[in-house]
Amino acid sequence: LAKTTQPISMDSYEGQEVNITCSHNNIATNDYITWYQQFPSQGPRFIIQGYKTKVTNEVASLFIPADRKSSTLSLPRVSLSDTAVYYCLVVRGGATNKLIFGTGTLLAVQP
Amino acid sequence: DADVTQTPRNRITKTGKRIMLECSQTKGHDRMYWYRQDPGLGLRLIYYSFDVKDINKGEISDGYSVSRQAQAKFSLSLESAIPNQTALYFCATSDAQGLAPDEQFFGPGTRLTVL
Repeated sequence: LAKTTQPISMDSYEGQEVNITCSHNNIATNDYITWYQQFPSQGPRFIIQGYKTKVTNEVASLFIPADRKSSTLSLPRVSLSDTAVYYCLVVRGGATNKLIFGTGTLLAVQP
Repeated sequence: DADVTQTPRNRITKTGKRIMLECSQTKGHDRMYWYRQDPGLGLRLIYYSFDVKDINKGEISDGYSVSRQAQAKFSLSLESAIPNQTALYFCATSDAQGLAPDEQFFGPGTRLTVL
């Protein structure tokens, strides 16, 4: 599976839009890009998943360029409660469904 | 997620002891997983099961075993615990989504300390 690279940490302020970029140069045809959020001492929680172009749900948007070698998670108008670790994962579609986590991006939202 | 429960939530044990961590789910999912997380790191897959008769090793299965007693129950055992198995353990479940990867639902975790 393609290795992912994302910033170790990011700072933001309440009300701002936050964009976290992830690179996955060796992504394969069957791979999807999936983002999970994790609060301290809790299990990760699925945020959004996409294959190409743009995906939007009630929580976030995911932008994937045509070459799919990177992706950007966009969190609109963050609040203090969005302070968490965000993991970008490349997940093979089909039978395996294995999640391989990196170290993620620690987003710190300040008042 | 309240639909995925783990017991115990915290456990302290000694080196060499056998310990079992249990996971139960009411989501009706066929697929279940066990992960461990070490401080400052992401989760690593230990074992996974796609149905009651299916058990598969993950990245770091050495020193662990699992049992899928029923669709709703998936247990992780440490036959002889050692200190470097001190970690936060998560169970997860998912439902097959066809071609796209499943969304996995995680339990609250079990904090295990091996002295």
